[in-house]
Amino acid sequence: DAGITQSPRHKVTETGTPVTLRCHQTENHRYMYWYRQDPGHGLRLIHYSYGVKDTDKGEVSDGYSVSRSKTEDFLLTLESATSSQTSVYFCAISELAGGRNEQFFGPGTRLTVL
Amino acid sequence: GQNIDQPTEMTATEGAIVQINCTYQTSGFNGLFWYQQHAGEAPTFLSYNVLDGLEEKGRFSSFLSRSKGYSYLLLKELQMKDSASYLCAVRDSGGYQKVTFGTGTKLQVIP
Repeated sequence: DAGITQSPRHKVTETGTPVTLRCHQTENHRYMYWYRQDPGHGLRLIHYSYGVKDTDKGEVSDGYSVSRSKTEDFLLTLESATSSQTSVYFCAISELAGGRNEQFFGPGTRLTVL
Repeated sequence: GQNIDQPTEMTATEGAIVQINCTYQTSGFNGLFWYQQHAGEAPTFLSYNVLDGLEEKGRFSSFLSRSKGYSYLLLKELQMKDSASYLCAVRDSGGYQKVTFGTGTKLQVIP
């Protein structure tokens, strides 16, 4: 199994509070991704990173920011959490972006915003 | 962009064969993935197709027709542990080669 961990695994917070989710990898993969998964929507890309300090937006990036100061860590921040951000968040990694390079997923973080 | 369609749910009997279909409309194509996701767990990679035809890997096979925008995942000799969601995902051919996931097909295997 690819070495990917996410913390915390579960979090309950209140509307308007800041929240940071952490993804940590031990595979030295270049690409890292944050997805959210909601019933009826599947996995949707929030942000991705193609190297240290190199990040870009996905399809549902509003209300989220990311940072990658080290190869192994990719942080997702909700500056002011809203109830619509209640979801399961998955981090993923891949060695390269193209071709057969599949993504390996972390165990997920279940976030509830009250 | 990508638009991916797959059935929401399917039921099949232990020991049988099941085919899960996926159709897609895309502005650019550079490969199709199938992932398996058990309830409450992370998706795990099953197969990758970029050329037309069938890729076989043990009890699982995946087929692709690029001209028809169509793929299927074939599961043989179904086992109870195959009860899971199966996600079809398409990689586009743009600069970043983004992967778009379908909403998944929930398969229930019954005795």
